[in-house]
Amino acid sequence: GESVGLHLPTLSVQEGDNSIINCAYSNSASDYFIWYKQESGKGPQFIIDIRSNMDKRQGQRVTVLLNKTVKHLSLQIAATQPGDSAVYFCAEKYTGANSKLTFGKGITLSVRP
Amino acid sequence: EPEVTQTPSHQVTQMGQEVILRCVPISNHLYFYWYRQILGQKVEFLVSFYNNEISEKSEIFDDQFSVERPDGSNFTLKIRSTKLEDSAMYFCASNLALLGNEQFFGPGTRLTVL
Repeated sequence: GESVGLHLPTLSVQEGDNSIINCAYSNSASDYFIWYKQESGKGPQFIIDIRSNMDKRQGQRVTVLLNKTVKHLSLQIAATQPGDSAVYFCAEKYTGANSKLTFGKGITLSVRP
Repeated sequence: EPEVTQTPSHQVTQMGQEVILRCVPISNHLYFYWYRQILGQKVEFLVSFYNNEISEKSEIFDDQFSVERPDGSNFTLKIRSTKLEDSAMYFCASNLALLGNEQFFGPGTRLTVL
């Protein structure tokens, strides 16, 4: 079956360094991708999204890259801070309000002081 | 800032009992969802709801599950006869129809079935 998945289960980075979290998706029909951050005991929090007609989108300290050729999505966090420590999920869906999110397994980002 | 709220934060129940998980979506949102997350696993879609009816449901959402929007603000998930494997975090989400894509999640209800 088609699925969204993450390459690495954990990532440990030094405070101030840049972080890169990768995700592979296999549903070529998906046209909208989102990164969520989940802190302990909380629900997923939207970070940034990208549509399939784009290959890069930047937010505040975060950048999402989409490579449709190899079905790859990445999240780059600049100058990683202790507050960035959390589990990060990529998710995919079809454009439209009535479409479900399909989540990847999640990767834990740990920021070393 | 508007947010999705959920009650209770933690529910403990005996196997076979009925539970109702409650959610108050963001007030001007029209699409509502339930997801669940078994400890240490990914978030899984259960059901979506629009215009007072189910739009889509997953294979997890069997006859033991039901959803309801009893009034203009609440959105509930009922599990009629809980099983041990229903133990999970249950997240409610809502979506502003005009934008169409960003789903806003509540803090979740931790359900523990003993």
